Amino acid sequence: DGGITQSPKYLFRKEGQNVTLSCEQNLNHDAMYWYRQDPGQGLRLIYYSQIVNDFQKGDIAEGYSVSREKKESFPLTVTSAQKNPTAFYLCASSLDRAPSQPQHFGDGTRLSIL
Amino acid sequence: EDKVVQSPLSLVVHEGDTVTLNCSYEVTNFRSLLWYKQEKKAPTFLFMLTSSGIEKKSGRLSSILDKKELFSILNITATQTGDSAIYLCAVYSDMRFGAGTRLTVKP
Repeated sequence: DGGITQSPKYLFRKEGQNVTLSCEQNLNHDAMYWYRQDPGQGLRLIYYSQIVNDFQKGDIAEGYSVSREKKESFPLTVTSAQKNPTAFYLCASSLDRAPSQPQHFGDGTRLSIL
Repeated sequence: EDKVVQSPLSLVVHEGDTVTLNCSYEVTNFRSLLWYKQEKKAPTFLFMLTSSGIEKKSGRLSSILDKKELFSILNITATQTGDSAIYLCAVYSDMRFGAGTRLTVKP
């Protein structure tokens, strides 16, 4: 069954800790994205990647880092520099980054501060 | 600065009602506008619009784009409780999302 898998579903972070959110897709998509969703603010783009070993900052990249070593995987690290990390994080992918390609989303990871 | 504004932010209707959700935008280099439905977790794709005046339709849902006035509407006729969700509008110039409209359909 093709799709996007995000894990874990829920994650708690302690002060000063880095945490990594996993995103895996088996859709053979080239482009992958990370969004943050806060109540009343819609989705905001953190990072995106159009191809393996390449990624670009979105609107709110500060305090986050990503890697794209494999086509299927695009993990997001929330670093201790991100002072307000509590949010719902969504990973998405699309065939490529052309405007004719809709994005497919994972079920999200909800991150909270302990 | 590019922006996408959805209205209303929240809407409560009864089953059988017809609703119209609005999405207006100001972006440089518009390329397409997309509507998604988010029930609990993953947004699911509804429509992609690139040309003005051409209605896209899927069952009770339809959408149209006006590139001159810079807005799109999403219509849902004969609403059902299963239509309760957040409806997200996204504009591809740099994939910018609106805040969403939370629709609640009461039995």
